[in-house]
Amino acid sequence: NAGVTQTPKFQVLKTGQSMTLQCAQDMNHNSMYWYRQDPGMGLRLIYYSASEGTTDKGEVPNGYNVSRLNKREFSLRLESAAPSQTSVYFCASSPLGLAGVVGFAKNIQYFGAGTRLSVL
Amino acid sequence: DQQVKQNSPSLSVQEGRISILNCDYTNSMFDYFLWYKKYPAEGPTFLISISSIKDKNEDGRFTVFLNKSAKHLSLHIVPSQPGDSAVYFCAASAVMSSNYKLTFGKGTLLTVNP
Repeated sequence: NAGVTQTPKFQVLKTGQSMTLQCAQDMNHNSMYWYRQDPGMGLRLIYYSASEGTTDKGEVPNGYNVSRLNKREFSLRLESAAPSQTSVYFCASSPLGLAGVVGFAKNIQYFGAGTRLSVL
Repeated sequence: DQQVKQNSPSLSVQEGRISILNCDYTNSMFDYFLWYKKYPAEGPTFLISISSIKDKNEDGRFTVFLNKSAKHLSLHIVPSQPGDSAVYFCAASAVMSSNYKLTFGKGTLLTVNP
């Protein structure tokens, strides 16, 4: 069971270049999330998708766009990368909203291994 | 405004002793709390959680305590093992308010020395 898979694992960009970070989950989860982790800052939510076809901004959405391609896949796009976007990006999913999953446990999020992005 | 605070950036303990990681929160609407463990170059993995209707939850060597009046929770690891060395994140959400987003603390680096 792969869980949450992120590609690529590493990427180096030049300022102004664009790229898309891919995320896929095989747990049949409804909800998916994108976070960034910076030193001393913990995990900050960029965008999330409560269900297929919906997306919402999180705490730090500026400079990013997302696409919920289908139930499995949730991509994060940097249209014009900036050095301030150098970070480690994590995708996560949760069973929130899934039929048959009740109680607080529906809010547990499961994370991918991350994409380490450097923007020069 | 940091709603979830982990005031100790790091903690070092001896193998076999107890590790206590602390977390404070300010938002009184938070009702579900989670601890995640993160090894270098890996994603965070869920460790243990507690809802506001409880004050203690135990899973093997890991116990989480919740003090709602103080808006404080702690994670106890007994006995600590070198493999427990990792960054631990505290997270909170307001499930009963239908706010399912997790708010994370900045993390505490635990080092367990053999």
